[in-house]
Amino acid sequence: GQQLNQSPQSMFIQEGEDVSMNCTSSSIFNTWLWYKQDPGEGPVLLIALYKAGELTSNGRLTAQFGITRKDSFLNISASIPSDVGIYFCAGQLSNTGKLIFGQGTTLQVKP
Amino acid sequence: GAVVSQHPSRVICKSGTSVKIECRSLDFQATTMFWYRQFPKQSLMLMATSNEGSKATYEQGVEKDKFLINHASLTLSTLTVTSAHPEDSSFYICSARDFQLTEAFFGQGTRLTVV
Repeated sequence: GQQLNQSPQSMFIQEGEDVSMNCTSSSIFNTWLWYKQDPGEGPVLLIALYKAGELTSNGRLTAQFGITRKDSFLNISASIPSDVGIYFCAGQLSNTGKLIFGQGTTLQVKP
Repeated sequence: GAVVSQHPSRVICKSGTSVKIECRSLDFQATTMFWYRQFPKQSLMLMATSNEGSKATYEQGVEKDKFLINHASLTLSTLTVTSAHPEDSSFYICSARDFQLTEAFFGQGTRLTVV
């Protein structure tokens, strides 16, 4: 079946540092999405990518959809304590709308 | 973004009983809803996809008779965990989209504990 490999699994960084995480897939997706999940909450959409090569920003977040449509990265610049949480990438199957999730990256920020 | 409301946020039930979880789209018509399950420190795993007015499509390995899904209206889908057992304890999350929305939006999740 389709799988997304997300790395790193966890990160512990100092406030103010930049963060980068990525996802790769053995399959092509038409849409890549990045979500953040706080403990006990549902995922919240951060960035959606629709075109191969697309680079999109949302505040301190930047994400890119790989040219091959099999990978994506998410960067967070100048991290702050509220960035703490679990970040998931997800590939969307266009014909059904179903999402395939990566394993998640747990981010901890030290003030 | 669109708002999806899930209820209850937490529920504790006795083994052998059934539990119903509701998922509502508040400001759009959800032609499709998805139900996920998430175990601690793991990713979200899709359980089933439901389209309004039709039977749900279950992922491989998910028992349709145990996890009953109803999507009778464009704003409400329900997941009923029947004859719950402790191994059904998990975080259940719904998401919803309509044909005009490219992406789906998630509810807040329901923490189910079966004792």
